[in-house]
Amino acid sequence: SQTIHQWPATLVQPVGSPLSLECTVEGTSNPNLYWYRQAAGRGLQLLFYSVGIGQISSEVPQNLSASRPQDRQFILSSKKLLLSDSGFYLCAWSFGGGTSYEQYFGPGTRLTVT
Amino acid sequence: GDSVTQMEGPVTLSEEAFLTINCTYTATGYPSLFWYVQYPGEGLQLLLKATKADDKGSNKGFEATYRKETTSFHLEKGSVQVSDSAVYFCALSDPYNQGGKLIFGQGTELSVKP
Repeated sequence: SQTIHQWPATLVQPVGSPLSLECTVEGTSNPNLYWYRQAAGRGLQLLFYSVGIGQISSEVPQNLSASRPQDRQFILSSKKLLLSDSGFYLCAWSFGGGTSYEQYFGPGTRLTVT
Repeated sequence: GDSVTQMEGPVTLSEEAFLTINCTYTATGYPSLFWYVQYPGEGLQLLLKATKADDKGSNKGFEATYRKETTSFHLEKGSVQVSDSAVYFCALSDPYNQGGKLIFGQGTELSVKP
């Protein structure tokens, strides 16, 4: 069976500091990978998605970036955090080449920028 | 473009009441439809899905039927429990969307009182 991990679970960072959030998937190969942000009381905003190693598509221009150095690893980064980067960050995966594209979500990282 | 519209929340019900959360969609092609549930502080969990018209998805007492003629996928449960209190998201996956992206509704918060 497949599992998805995210860490850290919670993070408090000062404005202007760097960020690195990691997501890994086990039990499948060549998944599609996704990063979402959820602001308090709001819906989901897709930030990045990837259909393969080194292939990153950005949905929203911002000071965040994503990388996929390995098949089942997806990293979200920032060089300098802003207050507006606070939120709940969710990683998700789906079967690459699938037909219904349901996504499976990780437990999330709660980021507070102070 | 594709979109999903859910009824506004919060929805407050008494235990054992009947639940309906409305969801309508617009899509270019023939999408797959999903309901996700998010408990406080957690990631999203796939609740049920339907991949073609007239399909009925069901899980844990929840049901939703893919109605192409009304472009709807309403979530129903005959008797809600306090443990069903969560935020529910309707979503679609259009095969014409690159990367298997999901389009989410804004979410509907459900609160069930004992």
